[in-house]
Amino acid sequence: GQNIDQPTEMTATEGAIVQINCTYQTSGFNGLFWYQQHAGEAPTFLSYNVLDGLEEKGRFSSFLSRSKGYSYLLLKELQMKDSASYLCAVRDVNSNYQLIWGAGTKLIIKP
Amino acid sequence: NAGVTQTPKFRVLKTGQSMTLLCAQDMNHEYMYWYRQDPGMGLRLIHYSVGEGTTAKGEVPDGYNVSRLKKQNFLLGLESAAPSQTSVYFCASSYKLAGAKDHDTQYFGPGTRLTVL
Repeated sequence: GQNIDQPTEMTATEGAIVQINCTYQTSGFNGLFWYQQHAGEAPTFLSYNVLDGLEEKGRFSSFLSRSKGYSYLLLKELQMKDSASYLCAVRDVNSNYQLIWGAGTKLIIKP
Repeated sequence: NAGVTQTPKFRVLKTGQSMTLLCAQDMNHEYMYWYRQDPGMGLRLIHYSVGEGTTAKGEVPDGYNVSRLKKQNFLLGLESAAPSQTSVYFCASSYKLAGAKDHDTQYFGPGTRLTVL
């Protein structure tokens, strides 16, 4: 079957670095997405990985290991505005290329 | 550009009532989606559309119907609302479904918060 696991909640300090992990099991992997969702708002796209390795975009980086079914989102120089939920989603060929979503990780930034 | 808009933003229904949620996008996207988001769960796909006049079932289609009469609009209907349909509903759109070397980004509307009593 399909399964995506993320920690429910994490806490970090302003200015620090945090890594949010995502593990997945799917039969037809075709890419992994990270979205950010502030409370009461819509999800917004952060990053995409389809090949193994690290994708860097400013303060945010995302890593993928297809053999391990594992990804992480790395946030550097944390700011208070980074307090949000971070959603991991996998595109599955066997689900007509639709996205299978994790439940999200709520990140709390403390001063 | 307004992006993806949804109406209404909030709604309270009684069990058995019907309603239609409207989603509109001005990005000329081919693909549109309806999701529901519940506490502790990931977004779940209700129905989606790959083009004007076409719709397909997602993961949790029961109790919902959809229509895509115009490319820019995607309607979600609840014929007889049930308390289990209390949720936040998100509409999204994307330009295309791409192959392994490319990707499509889904753009989300602000959501509709629906309560069924």
